[in-house]
Amino acid sequence: EVQLVESGGVVVQPGGSLRLSCAASGFTFDDYTMHWVRQAPGKGLEWVSLISWDGGSTYYADSVKGRFTISRDNSKNSLYLQMNSLRTEDTALYYCAKPAMTTVNSLFDYWGQGTLVTVSS
Amino acid sequence: QSVLTQPPSASGTPGQRVTISCSGSSSNIGSNYVYWYQQLPGTAPKLLIYRNNQRPSGVPDRFSGSKSGTSASLAISGLRSEDEADYYCAAWDDSLSAYVVFGGGTKLTVL
Repeated sequence: EVQLVESGGVVVQPGGSLRLSCAASGFTFDDYTMHWVRQAPGKGLEWVSLISWDGGSTYYADSVKGRFTISRDNSKNSLYLQMNSLRTEDTALYYCAKPAMTTVNSLFDYWGQGTLVTVSS
Repeated sequence: QSVLTQPPSASGTPGQRVTISCSGSSSNIGSNYVYWYQQLPGTAPKLLIYRNNQRPSGVPDRFSGSKSGTSASLAISGLRSEDEADYYCAAWDDSLSAYVVFGGGTKLTVL
């Protein structure tokens, strides 16, 4: 059974930093590109970032580019999101998401339960 | 403002057929597959339709997807009270400003 378990969400002040983690199981982690997607309270889904299967390629939404860094450790079946220079508009539930297929443009068949990041003074 | 355009709300009575539209452009829906997700209150999104019209195992055949040009739609037939949820369309985007784009979501109410 595929499982994605996010952690690391807390309340942080504007300008602060945070590292989210996603522990994956139930599939061959290093076969897949992995993604982070967020959802602000009461709002829709927003794609944040993706990382290729080997970590060699990373891409970001314009809203987080230069502030967030995605990474992975295939030996630990884990995905990470380093979030720096946090803004109030980064407040959201952050989901780790697995694509349905190993092709780079495949979208998601499994999502974690999310971890809540609140940026507030 | 979402890249893909969905109506903010839709409604129907039990047993009815409801459709939800999703409009995009040549860089997303026009050249890539469309996915649909159902999000029940307080839960993570669940995959309903992948590759425009394919249903994952376990998704009832009451749910169907279609795509034409730069638009797509999700149809739900035999509407049930448990279908009340938010529905999102999504697609890969080739424009390099956002690799994955979502619709703003449609809140479906079962009257």
